[in-house]
This record gives sequence, C-alpha cells and structure tokens, in this order.
Amino acid sequence: DADVTQTPRNRITKTGKRIMLECSQTKGHDRMYWYRQDPGLGLRLIYYSFDVKDINKGEISDGYSVSRQAQAKFSLSLESAIPNQTALYFCATSEAGPSGANVLTFGAGSRLTVL
Amino acid sequence: TQLLEQSPQFLSIQEGENLTVYCNSSSVFSSLQWYRQEPGEGPVLLVTVVTGGEVKKLKRLTFQFGDARKDSSLHITAAQTGDTGLYLCAGARVGSQGNLIFGKGTKLSVKP
Repeated sequence: DADVTQTPRNRITKTGKRIMLECSQTKGHDRMYWYRQDPGLGLRLIYYSFDVKDINKGEISDGYSVSRQAQAKFSLSLESAIPNQTALYFCATSEAGPSGANVLTFGAGSRLTVL
Repeated sequence: TQLLEQSPQFLSIQEGENLTVYCNSSSVFSSLQWYRQEPGEGPVLLVTVVTGGEVKKLKRLTFQFGDARKDSSLHITAAQTGDTGLYLCAGARVGSQGNLIFGKGTKLSVKP
C-alpha cells in the first residue's frame, strides 16, 4: 500500500457541487498538506496542518476548506466548485528535514474537473 | 511574482547528452530541495541541500546550492530515457516554518 493515499483519483463534477478529496497516510507524520498543480504554474499550497488541532491557510485557500480528522487523515473540501478549480490536487505529509525544511512525501494526486 | 524562477521550462535532448536546470531567486532560502515527478504520480524527493556552496551527487545527477543560498542547479550527465520527467525545485525561506515554495518545473524529455 502507498504511504499517502488519495481518493478519488479522478472526479468530474459540475459547477456549484460540493466536493471532498480525502487523504490518508501511514507514515506516522504529524504534518500534512494540500497542494494544487496547474500547467505552467507549478505547485501551490492550499492548506497545511502541523497536528490534529492545527490548521493553517496556504497561498491559495479561498474557495477551499479542510478537516484534520485524525493524525492520519486530512480532507480537502470545495463547498461550491467552480471551473477554475479544475486542477490536479496533491496531498503530502512531512517530517522536519535538514535546517527545518519539510521533506514532503506526496500522494499520487486527485484530478478534478469542474464543468 | 514567482519567487523561484526555474529554467528552462522545457528541454528535449538525445540520450547521452548533458543538461543543466537552473533555479533562481532574489530571496535567501534556508534549504532547497529537488523533486522529480512522472506522469500520473506525485513528486518524489531527489535531494535536499542546506549549506551555501554545497554540492551533492546522486549517480549521474549533481546538485549545487549557491554560495548566497539564493539559487541552485541540477546537472545530469549522459542523460538516459529514464530521466524523462518533470523536475521541480522547492525552497524553504527562513522563518517559513519549513513550508516550501515550488518553482514551475522543467519538463525534460530524453529521446533514444
């Protein structure tokens, strides 16, 4: 089994629908993240959580919310999806690496298309 | 404003050629990482560099962190078709709780 598992892997939905992307990990890491990847824009941080009681906004949190249900579970919600949220979404976990940098382990991604 | 400028954006070469990918910024980073991503998968860490001037080698890949910790490069010697993928640099700014800023990536295609 993968260290970081994302579901669903692919989802097509319509504008205005509520969508939840789920992430679970077996790494035992406290830190978890949600990123989105768009062609030509790279990876951008949406939300991050350093432990179960800690939730922080990232660079592009508008239109998204998250829930940290347990150390191993971190879900991303789009309350009312819009077409410009069409993207590839990645969940990641980390432990602190050299010089305090977070060394990330990524899931395989969830491709979301909003029509 | 893109804090980490990565170049080139696309690179198509023949097997056996050498190549260098650059990652530049006006900001100082406490550390810099390089990831490689293949289609349908998430990025996978290749290396972390933390000291200005540091050079790390991973088989045919050589990573360098600039003396001022504002830039980095990835050099691949004698590229192979298996090196094909998207290469991403990511930096952790001082005081950022270790959170990473990613470059836009370099899409490398190595042809046989």
